[in-house]
Amino acid sequence: SQKIEQNSEALNIQEGKTATLTCNYTNYSPAYLQWYRQDPGRGPVFLLLIRENEKEKRKERLKVTFDTTLKQSLFHITASQPADSATYLCALEDQSGYALNFGKGTSLLVTP
Amino acid sequence: DAGVIQSPRHEVTEMGQEVTLRCKPISGHNSLFWYRQTMMRGLELLIYFNNNVPIDDSGMPEDRFSAKMPNASFSTLKIQPSEPRDSAVYFCASSTDMNTEAFFGQGTRLTVV
Repeated sequence: SQKIEQNSEALNIQEGKTATLTCNYTNYSPAYLQWYRQDPGRGPVFLLLIRENEKEKRKERLKVTFDTTLKQSLFHITASQPADSATYLCALEDQSGYALNFGKGTSLLVTP
Repeated sequence: DAGVIQSPRHEVTEMGQEVTLRCKPISGHNSLFWYRQTMMRGLELLIYFNNNVPIDDSGMPEDRFSAKMPNASFSTLKIQPSEPRDSAVYFCASSTDMNTEAFFGQGTRLTVV
C-alpha cells in the first residue's frame, strides 16, 4: 500500500518568512495530490489539488509543487502569518482512485 | 449548505457498550468516507461509499465495526462492543466524485472507558 511521509517534527518559523513542508510517497504515483489544513478540534479543510501533469499550482500565498520522479510534493506558504499556524496534511488517492489516504501531517507554528 | 454534519460531537461510553456515530453528507455529494484519527496512526480511512454502496471496507479494523448508508443523506458507523482502544476522533467526509476535494465534518470524539 502507499506510504505517505511528512515531517513529524513541528516547523517553527518567524512571521513573514516562507514555510516549506514536504510530502514524500512510495510505490505508485498518484494521478493527483491534495493538501489540507487542520486546526485543533476541527476537521481537515481542503487547500489545493495538483495533478500529475502539473508541476506547480498557486493560490494566493500558497504554492504546491509535484515531482513524480522524486515522488515528492512541496507546500509553500509565503509571507507567513501567525494565523497560518495549524497542521498541514498531504493526501493521495488510493489505487482505486476513489478515496484519499492521508499523511500524518506536519504542525506549523508561525511566531510574531 | 451547512456542510457535513456529524453527531454526536463527543461520546463517552463504557467498554462493551454499543456506539453509533452519525453523518449527514453535503447534499448532492455521491461519495462518503469514514476516517479515524489518533496521534499514533494519524488519519486512517475506514470505509467509503459511492452512491450509497460500500466500495471498500478493508480499513475497518475488526468485525466489531460496521457502517451503513441507507440513503444518500445519512450514514452510520457502529462499534459493538466498544473497547478502550477504539478511543479516537472519527470523521465523516463527502465529495462530489472521484478526484475531487473532500469536505470533512467536525468529527466525533469517542472515549471508551
